[in-house]
Amino acid sequence: EADIYQTPRYLVIGTGKKITLECSQTMGHDKMYWYQQDPGMELHLIHYSYGVNSTEKGDLSSESTVSRIRTEHFPLTLESARPSHTSQYLCASSPPGGVNTEAFFGQGTRLTVV
Amino acid sequence: AQKITQTQPGMFVQEKEAVTLDCTYDTSDQSYGLFWYKQPSSGEMIFLIYQGSYDEQNATEGRYSLNFQKARKSANLVISASQLGDSAMYFCAMREDTGTALIFGKGTTLSVSS
Repeated sequence: EADIYQTPRYLVIGTGKKITLECSQTMGHDKMYWYQQDPGMELHLIHYSYGVNSTEKGDLSSESTVSRIRTEHFPLTLESARPSHTSQYLCASSPPGGVNTEAFFGQGTRLTVV
Repeated sequence: AQKITQTQPGMFVQEKEAVTLDCTYDTSDQSYGLFWYKQPSSGEMIFLIYQGSYDEQNATEGRYSLNFQKARKSANLVISASQLGDSAMYFCAMREDTGTALIFGKGTTLSVSS
């Protein structure tokens, strides 16, 4: 069973607030990812990290930022939330390896900005 | 161009019947991996099955099998003996040799009725 945790599971917040979505994994994986998913739609990669102090933007442009100070922790921050940020955010990690390595996902954070 | 194409937005099947969910992919890499994930309404992503580009045998995992046709660039998921609990969204994904993260298709919603 994968050990990757996201908090909070649900968040309703007002426009203009700063928010941080937490993601932690206990598997020691170097590679971590953030995906954004609108309801019933595909997953879009917004950020990824190869390890500590490494962060890269994904295919979908996002106003969010990430940090990777510790291997196990990969938080995502929105400085000023807007209704267009309403979505589900999924965190994932992968062990070392090639094309055959699966991604382990957290349970997701459903964000609603009102 | 879409790297992963799932052309069936929704599929309906009766309990105990088999169902095939279609997936085609596009890559110029020789080495790549293909994955299927299940996403129930609760939102988490559950890994189902993996097929490597060099695997000669079709992958199988319990009631799940992958019909891999490399020349046609298709990797269809076959679920045998459908159960009510199989009702969910199903995503096909690919990891390329030259990439780092999984690339997802738009998904197929499967509804199983009794």
